[in-house]
Amino acid sequence: QSALTQPPSASGSPGQSVTISCTGTSSDVGAYNYVSWYQQRPGKAPKIMLYEVNKRPSGVPDRFSGSKSGNRASLTVSGLQAEDEADYYCSSYAGNTDYVFGTGTKVTVL
Amino acid sequence: QVQLQESGPGLVKPSQTLSLTCNVSGGSISTVGHYWSWIRHHPGKALEWIGYIYHSGSSYYSSALKSRAIISVDTSKNQFSLKLSSVSAADTAIYYCARAIGLAAAALDSWGQGTLVTVSS
Repeated sequence: QSALTQPPSASGSPGQSVTISCTGTSSDVGAYNYVSWYQQRPGKAPKIMLYEVNKRPSGVPDRFSGSKSGNRASLTVSGLQAEDEADYYCSSYAGNTDYVFGTGTKVTVL
Repeated sequence: QVQLQESGPGLVKPSQTLSLTCNVSGGSISTVGHYWSWIRHHPGKALEWIGYIYHSGSSYYSSALKSRAIISVDTSKNQFSLKLSSVSAADTAIYYCARAIGLAAAALDSWGQGTLVTVSS
């Protein structure tokens, strides 16, 4: 399985929105609505932000939203805050009990 | 709130077997619908799913690592383990244990802090 493709970086000013894409194939992102997004701050463990494309776990602000179209999933962070500065990774179920992660995107709050 | 903590040697020699254990606290490893996972992260690269195990002992592995990885569970100790054989420098990474939930067990909702394993002679 090849890693899902994410842009290396994204940025925005406080209060703005930033959208991160996650591009896979018809065998993973395109085939299943099992896309998750994780936030990882330096030196910390990843934290789940979204699962099953657009579901938020308890405690995740509704500023975080997700969508999917074809082989591409997206994470949008609205009302950007300084605490949102982190690396973000997507993941997808790829069938046959296999999973694939994205290459990661560093979000910078300007 | 469940907490996970990895433990094991930080240095492994090439061709030997990497062994890590994940201790689960604050919840039972036997909870229905929870799958106990191993993931690794090579710095600067994508995270990589290694595999997971259910409390029954059923285990599943990534196609890339299934020939070398074995995940086991000890419900009496509320912990699960990873063994990765025939390691090389390419296996140097931060190893995380995590809990997978949801449809297709595709959501990793709790993670350990991670442990760096270096493969070097």
